[in-house]
Amino acid sequence: QVQLQQSGPGLVKPSQTLSLTCAISGDSVSSNSAAWNWIRQSPSRGLEWLGRTFYKSKWFNDYAVSVKSRITINPDTSKNQFSLQVTSVTPDDTALYYCARWDSAKKTLDSWGQGTLVTVSS
Amino acid sequence: EIVMTQSPLSLPVSPGEPASFSCRSSQSLLDSNGYDYLDWYLQKPGQSPQVLIYWSSTRASGVPDRFSGSGSGTDFTLKISRVEAEDVGVYFCMQTLQTPYTFGQGTKLEIK
Repeated sequence: QVQLQQSGPGLVKPSQTLSLTCAISGDSVSSNSAAWNWIRQSPSRGLEWLGRTFYKSKWFNDYAVSVKSRITINPDTSKNQFSLQVTSVTPDDTALYYCARWDSAKKTLDSWGQGTLVTVSS
Repeated sequence: EIVMTQSPLSLPVSPGEPASFSCRSSQSLLDSNGYDYLDWYLQKPGQSPQVLIYWSSTRASGVPDRFSGSGSGTDFTLKISRVEAEDVGVYFCMQTLQTPYTFGQGTKLEIK
């Protein structure tokens, strides 16, 4: 049973960088049969997929166009976790952020973190 | 990107009665391998979403058989044969054919 545990601050000032981490248990961030995703949810945007990182002989990243210029998702193999950074945040980035595991065979998000509410405010 | 549209937005149902949720995609989700890449998720109040159905009609592990999914191409349906109190929440469809993965706006199931 894969479990994902999120951590990171719930309040970020405008123009600063949002940083969240997702610790993985029960699987490996380097797994060839999974991808590691970040998704956010807000009343205005609904559920929005932000991007993913995955390993297939080398590391790949894939980002949503809406945030591509501001987002970085990085794996950390030493700690078996992955992270999200969003730069130059505005109040529009206020949302509930989730990490989630993608099963490459089933092509589904089969494990989710508990969610982190991030508020962008001065 | 593929746009997902769900209906209705709200669905009041009495316990023991059936429920039906609709999801449409702006382009076909049928892959060349014959699979439709359409998932259904349930987000219970205060919880993270959990997968119910993948490949349009395959129940995820542990999902009761009162849940069933159907459809192909651009039109999909999730059905609950007999609604129980624990089924309340918001039901989302999501296309997994291509990135960016996209979600419908959700249908909120309420118990009458």
